[in-house]
Amino acid sequence: RKEVEQDPGPFNVPEGATVAFNCTYSNSASQSFFWYRQDCRKEPKLLMSVYSSGNEDGRFTAQLNRASQYISLLIRDSKLSDSATYLCVVRGSTLGRLYFGRGTQLTVWP
Amino acid sequence: DTEVTQTPKHLVMGMTNKKSLKCEQHMGHRAMYWYKQKAKKPPELMFVYSYEKLSINESVPSRFSPECPNSSLLNLHLHALQPEDSALYLCASSQQQGETDTQYFGPGTRLTVL
Repeated sequence: RKEVEQDPGPFNVPEGATVAFNCTYSNSASQSFFWYRQDCRKEPKLLMSVYSSGNEDGRFTAQLNRASQYISLLIRDSKLSDSATYLCVVRGSTLGRLYFGRGTQLTVWP
Repeated sequence: DTEVTQTPKHLVMGMTNKKSLKCEQHMGHRAMYWYKQKAKKPPELMFVYSYEKLSINESVPSRFSPECPNSSLLNLHLHALQPEDSALYLCASSQQQGETDTQYFGPGTRLTVL
């Protein structure tokens, strides 16, 4: 079983749509949780860390459910520039060791 | 500033060549990482250096040899690579301070092995 499971998509949505990505992780001892964004042929860039209480950054909302070992990312009012691959990332109990989901590809069309 | 730099941006090498990839950060981070990423796949961890010492080696073949000359620099020496080693090689760094520790990635070196 993979450490992090993520729906690869692709998700194709019109501008202005709301889209949600989900992710599950297998290790209940996991320490920290992140969403990274990766544009085609570029490096992953941190979008947001995910906290137990849930957190919001502008149009982006991340939620963590430790009991269900489930992480989500909600994007409201999608922009063309949101088109990218979104990576769900979990840190295990070993410091420095990240586990990546396979990424969810999002395309926002005009 | 959360900048990690990598050189070169692109590298083409033959199977008998020896080359090196370089990574640099000036954020005072104490951990540095090498990842390999193939197309449409997530990054795969290769090596972790913590306080300039190798702390994780993910069973990487010996044709890849990491080196950490100081806390700001990380090299990856390449020798006798195979065509299947062609990939994007990403360097990352982090403060390595508990649960809030966040890894920042460099732009990568796109390697082609002929």
